[in-house]
Amino acid sequence: SQKIEQNSEALNIQEGKTATLTCNYTNYSPAYLQWYRQDPGRGPVFLLLIRENEKEKRKERLKVTFDTTLKQSLFHITASQPADSATYLCALGIYNQGGKLIFGQGTELSVKP
Amino acid sequence: DGGITQSPKYLFRKEGQNVTLSCEQNLNHDAMYWYRQDPGQGLRLIYYSQIVNDFQKGDIAEGYSVSREKKESFPLTVTSAQKNPTAFYLCASSISRGNQPQHFGDGTRLSIL
Repeated sequence: SQKIEQNSEALNIQEGKTATLTCNYTNYSPAYLQWYRQDPGRGPVFLLLIRENEKEKRKERLKVTFDTTLKQSLFHITASQPADSATYLCALGIYNQGGKLIFGQGTELSVKP
Repeated sequence: DGGITQSPKYLFRKEGQNVTLSCEQNLNHDAMYWYRQDPGQGLRLIYYSQIVNDFQKGDIAEGYSVSREKKESFPLTVTSAQKNPTAFYLCASSISRGNQPQHFGDGTRLSIL
């Protein structure tokens, strides 16, 4: 069956450190991958998109990598802050599916001061 | 400001009752989506629409119905046939072609009385 897996356990890190979240997938050939942030009781907010032919994308303190051989994307937050505490979702876009996305279950990140 | 508005924020349903969740967007997006989110699970696609007067079933459409009579509006009806309707429901919209981010509302939490 088609699966997308993110770290199921919450990630707890100290302020100032780099947080690294993982998204693994099987049985897909994604055209692109997106990362979202979700706060409790709110809808997800788009952060970054990376295409299959791109190895890395950066935006301010955020970095995403995409390894189609390993079938994995890594999401990094450098110099993390308590305000970065949230759940982070990865989502795959498939060829010829228009804008339809397939979401992972999300990883909860907690940054302690 | 452009965005997506979901209402109500909280909704209660009695056994055997149909309820309708509202979703309105003023982003001029062609595509709209309904997702269901359960604790510890990712977003699962219920229905999506890429153009007015057309919509497709997602992965968990049973017990739900939608309409798309206007570009701005995509209401979701949770019917009495949906036996486990308690969940957080999220509506999203996007530009119809692929690799575009989805913009989410802040959800409706549905509970059974």
